[in-house]
Amino acid sequence: KAGVTQTPRYLIKTRGQQVTLSCSPISGHRSVSWYQQTPGQGLQFLFEYFSETQRNKGNFPGRFSGRQFSNSRSEMNVSTLELGDSALYLCASSAGTATGELFFGEGSRLTVL
Amino acid sequence: QQQVKQSPQSLIVQKGGISIINCAYENTAFDYFPWYQQFPGKGPALLIAIRPDVSEKKEGRFTISFNKSAKQFSLHIMDSQPGDSATYFCAASMRQAGTALIFGKGTTLSVSS
Repeated sequence: KAGVTQTPRYLIKTRGQQVTLSCSPISGHRSVSWYQQTPGQGLQFLFEYFSETQRNKGNFPGRFSGRQFSNSRSEMNVSTLELGDSALYLCASSAGTATGELFFGEGSRLTVL
Repeated sequence: QQQVKQSPQSLIVQKGGISIINCAYENTAFDYFPWYQQFPGKGPALLIAIRPDVSEKKEGRFTISFNKSAKQFSLHIMDSQPGDSATYFCAASMRQAGTALIFGKGTTLSVSS
């Protein structure tokens, strides 16, 4: 069974640009969650999509957005990039239950210059 | 109130020793407490999880102890091995929050051989 696939793995952007990250969940999983990981703040929840609907949202500005497609694949977008957006962005797929295991991908490492 | 406080930040243990990582929370609505293990360059992976109606859960060399009245829980790694060297994150969530986990800041464990 294939794991969670995130693309691209690494990318470099400059301030003010926007970026789109992609996530393909494990087959059969309907929930995709996104997390931001930084050395200072650790792992922080961005949002969760379940059956193409945003089910939960973390405390991030509106520059961070996402969507989920009918095949459960998900994308997240960050507009007007800031230096502080440099982070590892992790996607996790699950069956969608509150106590279900999250299966994380290896992440997309974003560097903002 | 949404925080999960984790200690220590780093830990060095000799091979065969016991590694202990502690976490504390404030929000009594949390009802699911997982521990995730992360190796460099990889996404976190679920290690073990517990619900508040259980005081202890053991899986192989890994044990979670849960103290509901103190709002604390801990991970014990018995017979620690060099392969256990990784970063460990405790987390908490509540049923209505779906897959939104509140993570502790992490503990970097080094097991010396």
